[in-house]
Amino acid sequence: NAGVMQNPRHLVRRRGQEARLRCSPMKGHSHVYWYRQLPEEGLKFMVYLQKENIIDESGMPKERFSAEFPKEGPSILRIQQVVRGDSAAYFCASSPGATGEGTEAFFGQGTRLTVV
Amino acid sequence: GEDVEQSLFLSVREGDSSVINCTYTDSSSTYLYWYKQEPGAGLQLLTYIFSNMDMKQDQRLTVLLNKKDKHLSLRIADTQTGDSAIYFCAENLSGYSTLTFGKGTMLLVSP
Repeated sequence: NAGVMQNPRHLVRRRGQEARLRCSPMKGHSHVYWYRQLPEEGLKFMVYLQKENIIDESGMPKERFSAEFPKEGPSILRIQQVVRGDSAAYFCASSPGATGEGTEAFFGQGTRLTVV
Repeated sequence: GEDVEQSLFLSVREGDSSVINCTYTDSSSTYLYWYKQEPGAGLQLLTYIFSNMDMKQDQRLTVLLNKKDKHLSLRIADTQTGDSAIYFCAENLSGYSTLTFGKGTMLLVSP
């Protein structure tokens, strides 16, 4: 059973371009979470999705950022018109149930986005 | 201010015990977690404790929870160089499925 797979591991974009980050959860996991880690910071929650539904997007910037978790395929975090401040490590986690019940969330290795 | 706070750095010698501390502000936390992050890697869950517990032990790891003071600690016995990493404390609030992380404590273990 492969772990949470994120790709690409590293992504370089010029200011104004779009960034697409992919996350394939562990087999059997239907809950996906995206977190952002700025340099020398802890992880900040962005969005929580279940299949085809956004459950909580309270941590997502209101503009330029969107996320989806379609019925088939990976979850996608999309950043339009990237700016230098978007440079960060983006982590995806998945769990079989809601983590509020002590269910472990497994993290991927992250995508490190650099905006030049 | 931050909801979860940790000291930023800890240096110990191999074989000593390490104690990493964390304070949180929300009394409705239900679960508190310790994650380990090695350079360039994702987060690995080390252990977690339910808020109605005072202590949890798992091999070399001991977690102590003082709910009155909202203080959580992780003790690593017989620390090894392979324990060098960043350790994150995280809380899970009642009714929420997301985690709030501290900024992490960098543990450096010297031979």
